[in-house]
Amino acid sequence: SSELTQDPAVSVALGQTVKITCQGDSLRSYYASWYQQKPGQAPVLVIYGKNNRPSGIPDRFSGSSSGNTASLTITGAQAEDEADYYCNSRDSSSNHLLFGGGTKLTVL
Amino acid sequence: QVQLVESGGGVVQPGGSLRLSCAASGFTFSSYGMHWVRQAPGKGPEWVAFIRYDGSNKYYADSVKGRFTISRDNSKNTLYLQMNSLRPEDTAVYYCAKGGMTLTGPPDYWGQGTLVAVSS
Repeated sequence: SSELTQDPAVSVALGQTVKITCQGDSLRSYYASWYQQKPGQAPVLVIYGKNNRPSGIPDRFSGSSSGNTASLTITGAQAEDEADYYCNSRDSSSNHLLFGGGTKLTVL
Repeated sequence: QVQLVESGGGVVQPGGSLRLSCAASGFTFSSYGMHWVRQAPGKGPEWVAFIRYDGSNKYYADSVKGRFTISRDNSKNTLYLQMNSLRPEDTAVYYCAKGGMTLTGPPDYWGQGTLVAVSS
């Protein structure tokens, strides 16, 4: 079955730029969406479509895609960006949605 | 603003049933598809089911197909998830989420979730 693969953990120094990636065959057909989740809270959508931010999401968050890989970039990471990040897309081979396993971002 | 409030979770024995509800407000409920997504303790989200805005199409994850039924009442702005033949591996926080008109639109707003625990 289809799946989305993410690195389990990434760290970044305060104020620096970090890229979180998501790989999967479905990403050749569908854009990824990205969610931020902090402990005890529901996921929050931060990027969707080609590179769209919902209202209220800081512009330091951006998205890109190439081939079977989607990326979430945080330019100038802040302490409040420390969280789990999940990618999501439609499965290209079925009427299912997929979530990646998540990346834990640590801001040093 | 968009509000989604889930209810109906609790502790149930294996093989039992539960019905979750999700009360929606702050948007035109009848114009959007809706998702159920669950998250087991310490794990990432797992998509469970989707229903189109008019209820005409429903899609399910393989792990719940044949046991769970998604439905909606647009007159009450409420989404439902009927869960039968529950298993310990169904233990999770269940979120309802607003989707797009089709399955492709990502879940954009999520409720705070309701906990379902399947245990003897």
